[in-house]
Amino acid sequence: GNSVTQMEGPVTLSEEAFLTINCTYTATGYPSLFWYVQYPGEGLQLLLKATKADDKGSNKGFEATYRKETTSFHLEKGSVQVSDSAVYFCALSDLGLTGGGNKLTFGTGTQLKVEL
Amino acid sequence: KAGVTQTPRYLIKTRGQQVTLSCSPISGHRSVSWYQQTPGQGLQFLFEYFSETQRNKGNFPGRFSGRQFSNSRSEMNVSTLELGDSALYLCASSTGGAGELFFGEGSRLTVL
Repeated sequence: GNSVTQMEGPVTLSEEAFLTINCTYTATGYPSLFWYVQYPGEGLQLLLKATKADDKGSNKGFEATYRKETTSFHLEKGSVQVSDSAVYFCALSDLGLTGGGNKLTFGTGTQLKVEL
Repeated sequence: KAGVTQTPRYLIKTRGQQVTLSCSPISGHRSVSWYQQTPGQGLQFLFEYFSETQRNKGNFPGRFSGRQFSNSRSEMNVSTLELGDSALYLCASSTGGAGELFFGEGSRLTVL
């Protein structure tokens, strides 16, 4: 079945440092890929997405490129801020047996702590 | 535009009881999905409803059930609660397209 593997956390960085959170996936077909973010005490929010190979998703300074050849979707940000402290989830869209609908397979999440 | 609303936010039950959780999706969204989040298993898909029909289902026992009403509001029910059912239950709505989900803040269930 489909699966998503993320790097273990927590990741602790100083403000303005470069961030990379690794994500690789196993899937049949051509899934869409997502990064979701969860701030303390809140639900998940979509951060960015890519729907086909070589697509780059970007939002709020975060970027990720859909790499089919390496089955990866690594999250990057050039300069992190304290407000970026959260848990980040990589996910892929599984259209399910009916060929339609929503069924996301999530990675285990990576906690990011950014310090001054 | 109001977001996804889940009630109750917190609840405590004892083993063997049953629980019903409610989710009101964003206005206009016809798809509602449910996920269980635990420290050990992470986020796991329970089921998805679209226009009152279950469209996808995860690998959970039959004690977990759900339904969707004509106004797209959804409920999930867990019967004969077990300690392992303690979790944050997240509801997400969407227009029906793949993957772009809008999540509520969750209902945190504790089973004693």
